Amino acid sequence: AQSVTQLGSHVSVSEGALVLLRCNYSSSVPPYLFWYVQYPNQGLQLLLKYTSAATLVKGINGFEAEFKKSETSFHLTKPSAHMSDAAEYFCAVTLSYNTDKLIFGTGTRLQVFP
Amino acid sequence: DAGITQSPRHKVTETGTPVTLRCHQTENHRYMYWYRQDPGHGLRLIHYSYGVKDTDKGEVSDGYSVSRSKTEDFLLTLESATSSQTSVYFCATSGAGGGTGELFFGEGSRLTVL
Repeated sequence: AQSVTQLGSHVSVSEGALVLLRCNYSSSVPPYLFWYVQYPNQGLQLLLKYTSAATLVKGINGFEAEFKKSETSFHLTKPSAHMSDAAEYFCAVTLSYNTDKLIFGTGTRLQVFP
Repeated sequence: DAGITQSPRHKVTETGTPVTLRCHQTENHRYMYWYRQDPGHGLRLIHYSYGVKDTDKGEVSDGYSVSRSKTEDFLLTLESATSSQTSVYFCATSGAGGGTGELFFGEGSRLTVL
């Protein structure tokens, strides 16, 4: 069965500091992995996705994630945090290659302090 | 923006009453999904649809039913609401399927069951 685990329900960083949000996956087959972002009182939107084309994936707003098979990880990073990055971030894995049914992690809330 | 609207956006109801949430999309997407979001659980798939009148269960389908009589509308019904169904419900759509993982979300419907 496929699943994702997000380590840390809350992460706080200062503006300009490195952002690192952790995600580990469990999958019996090569996974498709995703990061979504949810701003307050909004739905989720796709940040980036890994579909085996390249292990380092760049997304919107300066975020990127690296797929590491040996560590079963897909951590999300951004070199320099902005106040506008404050949101909740969800890692997800596809449950089926025939649809887009996703299994989401429990989420990490990112706070950015001035 | 996939043009997904959910109604109602907020609803308070009493235990034992029926509730229907509506999702309407204007993008002609084939796939539609209902998720619920709860603290500590992330998003969990309730039901999904892969075409008109074609629906299937997700991981937390007990107590919920769905219907899709038109491409653009996907209804989620709680036949007899319980307090455990207090949650924020998100509708999502995708056009391609095939594991692309790109879901487009509505803004959510907050349901409180007293």
